[in-house]
Amino acid sequence: NAGVMQNPRHLVRRRGQEARLRCSPMKGHSHVYWYRQLPEEGLKFMVYLQKENIIDESGMPKERFSAEFPKEGPSILRIQQVVRGDSAAYFCASSPGLGNQPQHFGDGTRLSIL
Amino acid sequence: LAKTTQPISMDSYEGQEVNITCSHNNIATNDYITWYQQFPSQGPRFIIQGYKTKVTNEVASLFIPADRKSSTLSLPRVSLSDTAVYYCLVGDISTGTASKLTFGTGTRLQVTL
Repeated sequence: NAGVMQNPRHLVRRRGQEARLRCSPMKGHSHVYWYRQLPEEGLKFMVYLQKENIIDESGMPKERFSAEFPKEGPSILRIQQVVRGDSAAYFCASSPGLGNQPQHFGDGTRLSIL
Repeated sequence: LAKTTQPISMDSYEGQEVNITCSHNNIATNDYITWYQQFPSQGPRFIIQGYKTKVTNEVASLFIPADRKSSTLSLPRVSLSDTAVYYCLVGDISTGTASKLTFGTGTRLQVTL
């Protein structure tokens, strides 16, 4: 019973490069959420997607960040022209989106910007 | 969005019962209370969720008084492996809307021998 799978677990990029973070939700889950966590802080919501639709992107920076959840394949969080401040742990969660079902999280991608 | 207040940290000895209380004075009628556990370098793990009264599962109990302005996560007989950060979240997840879930700084539980 595979949980939420995120890859890579660690990603190193130089300033100005692009970072692509992937998330495969739990089987049967059609709702995906991305969060960012800085050291010693709680998770901060970024974006909520359903298959082929962005439902809520109110927590995602307007520039350089984008997210998608295609009909086939994993959800992708894309960060263009990365800067040092993008260094963080990025977590993906999924849920069935039915009633009061809790979100289940992956173990994150730790992004380091050199 | 109901704001939550938890103790920043707690210490316990192995084998003791640990109770972590979360205050949420502005909780709304449709809000549920959810607790997560997070170990270093891992994602949050769902522990328990409730709306009112008491909920119990194989790892914890959640006590919610009638006014729902607070809740208490109870961990029976903690072990060293329960050392983690515990987050209390309050929000309306009945529609699956993620933006209403906000993590605070959580409670750092340190269990020692």
